[in-house]
Amino acid sequence: GESVGLHLPTLSVQEGDNSIINCAYSNSASDYFIWYKQESGKGPQFIIDIRSNMDKRQGQRVTVLLNKTVKHLSLQIAATQPGDSAVYFCAENIGTDKLIFGTGTRLQVFP
Amino acid sequence: GAVVSQHPSRVICKSGTSVKIECRSLDFQATTMFWYRQFPKQSLMLMATSNEGSKATYEQGVEKDKFLINHASLTLSTLTVTSAHPEDSSFYICSAHILAGVDTQYFGPGTRLTVL
Repeated sequence: GESVGLHLPTLSVQEGDNSIINCAYSNSASDYFIWYKQESGKGPQFIIDIRSNMDKRQGQRVTVLLNKTVKHLSLQIAATQPGDSAVYFCAENIGTDKLIFGTGTRLQVFP
Repeated sequence: GAVVSQHPSRVICKSGTSVKIECRSLDFQATTMFWYRQFPKQSLMLMATSNEGSKATYEQGVEKDKFLINHASLTLSTLTVTSAHPEDSSFYICSAHILAGVDTQYFGPGTRLTVL
């Protein structure tokens, strides 16, 4: 079946460096994508979203890039901090209000 | 804004008993809420869509008679795990759908269910 997947299960970065978390999706009909951050024992926290009519969107220290040609989504975190350590999920909206979540990437920030 | 709460945050029960989990939208009304299940080190899997005033829509493979969902008001949805078994132990998360220019879902903090 169609799914959203991630390339890297774990990403380790040094504090202050930039982080890039990738996500591949397969449903060409998806028109809305969201990145969530989940800390241990907590629910997902909305980070940033993007619609399919855009290819880039920036927030505070975060940027989401969407490449519809290759069905690829990425989350860039600038100047990664220890508080950014968490599991990051991409999710796609398939037009029915439902979200399909990717497998997740664990981001570890070391000093 | 857009705060979603869940109660309880943790629950331990004996096998065969039923457990009710509440999901509330605190500062907005939600006509649609979603229930997810998450096993350790895995992603969120949608269980069902809860619509206010109507029957829930369950995803394929989710037993509607085991996971009872009630969405009696615009701010409250409940999930009851009936006749719980150890394999039902999981992290249950709800979300509320808010239309605010984009179709964003805001998630509750989750409920850790442990069935002995």
